[in-house]
Amino acid sequence: QVQLVESGGGVVQPGRSLRLSCAASGFTFSKFAMHWVRQAPGKGLEWVAVISHGASTKYYADSVRGRFTISGDSSKNTVYLQMNSLRAEDTAVYYCARSLLTMENFWGQGTLVTVSS
Amino acid sequence: DVVMTQSPLSLPVTLGQPASISCRSSQSLVYSDGNTYLSWFQQRPGQSPRRLIYKVSNRDSGVPDRFSGSGSGTDFTLKISRVEAEDVGVYYCMQGPHGFTFGPGTKVDIK
Repeated sequence: QVQLVESGGGVVQPGRSLRLSCAASGFTFSKFAMHWVRQAPGKGLEWVAVISHGASTKYYADSVRGRFTISGDSSKNTVYLQMNSLRAEDTAVYYCARSLLTMENFWGQGTLVTVSS
Repeated sequence: DVVMTQSPLSLPVTLGQPASISCRSSQSLVYSDGNTYLSWFQQRPGQSPRRLIYKVSNRDSGVPDRFSGSGSGTDFTLKISRVEAEDVGVYYCMQGPHGFTFGPGTKVDIK
């Protein structure tokens, strides 16, 4: 069955980097749009980034553009979110999600990123 | 950028009674392909979000038929015909693909 498992979260100092992974199983991620969505503690959902099916296009929220990079590795069926120059306001649970707009939608359980000195 | 607003932000409901959530966008969500990419998501306490409705009015697989979506252009509505205890949570509308934007969320709880 379809599963998305995020990993890589943790506590990191401001200005440092972190890479999140989203391991997909039960489907080939490159055939679907894959998103990262985050949720700060006690707050709502904020869309972060998307990589289109086939990885032909990538889009980012204004709040992370230039600092975060989404990518995928077909050999590992895994999507990544490289996060650089982290700020306190990047503290959140980061969810990986498949197909937010149309095709069957799935979410992972999330991984917590805490940016703190 | 498209801004999404929802009302109300808090919705106490009585079990068995209907509930309605409004979502408005700052610009028309009709995309160049003729589709309107407005989705509704439910997030129960302590859980990951789950999509209920896509392209305004299409229910996702496994979503009870008491949930329905409607609207066009910039005004959209999610209706629950008879609220059940398992419907407690926060509901978000989301637009795409002009970037992707979530609304602020509407917290539904039982009176």
